[in-house]
Amino acid sequence: DAGVIQSPRHEVTEMGQEVTLRCKPISGHNSLFWYRQTMMRGLELLIYFNNNVPIDDSGMPEDRFSAKMPNASFSTLKIQPSEPRDSAVYFCASLGGEYTGELFFGEGSRLTVL
Amino acid sequence: KQEVTQIPAALSVPEGENLVLNCSFTDSAIYNLQWFRQDPGKGLTSLLLIQSSQREQTSGRLNASLDKSSGRSTLYIAASQPGDSATYLCAVRPRRGSTLGRLYFGRGTQLTVWP
Repeated sequence: DAGVIQSPRHEVTEMGQEVTLRCKPISGHNSLFWYRQTMMRGLELLIYFNNNVPIDDSGMPEDRFSAKMPNASFSTLKIQPSEPRDSAVYFCASLGGEYTGELFFGEGSRLTVL
Repeated sequence: KQEVTQIPAALSVPEGENLVLNCSFTDSAIYNLQWFRQDPGKGLTSLLLIQSSQREQTSGRLNASLDKSSGRSTLYIAASQPGDSATYLCAVRPRRGSTLGRLYFGRGTQLTVWP
């Protein structure tokens, strides 16, 4: 099993540019989570999907952030326009087993907005 | 709202020591609790998952216990090694609110094991 795959691993962009982060969950997992990690705030849940449907997006900071899951094997997190305060590591995670509930994380996408 | 606290925030020990990392949570109505390890620049690796009906889980030199009534979990690391150096995070999934719910994370304990 390849695990949760995220791309890009690193992204450096200028303020105002659009950023798209991508995630491929573990095959067979039906829940997907997007987290953001910073030194100041630790790990924050942005949004999660169950069976490709957004369940809770209350953690999405503002309208500049959007997330989609068009199918069970792919999700995107988009920031438009990006700002320096969006600089963070963004993690995608997928949930193995609705009842066992073990969460598996990707390696993360480190975003730097200049 | 569930709050998760981890003590200590940082720990530095010589190789070979047995360690206890602490995690406390404010709402005992949890579905499960999970311990993770995070190496610098890496994602979170799942170490142990304890369901609410369980008291402990073991994997190799790691043992995690859960006491729901007191809102506490401990991660015990036996015979620590330099390779154990990492940040250890605990996370709880609350039972209230939704079936899946969100995980609430502590800020982690940064462990350094020196040779």
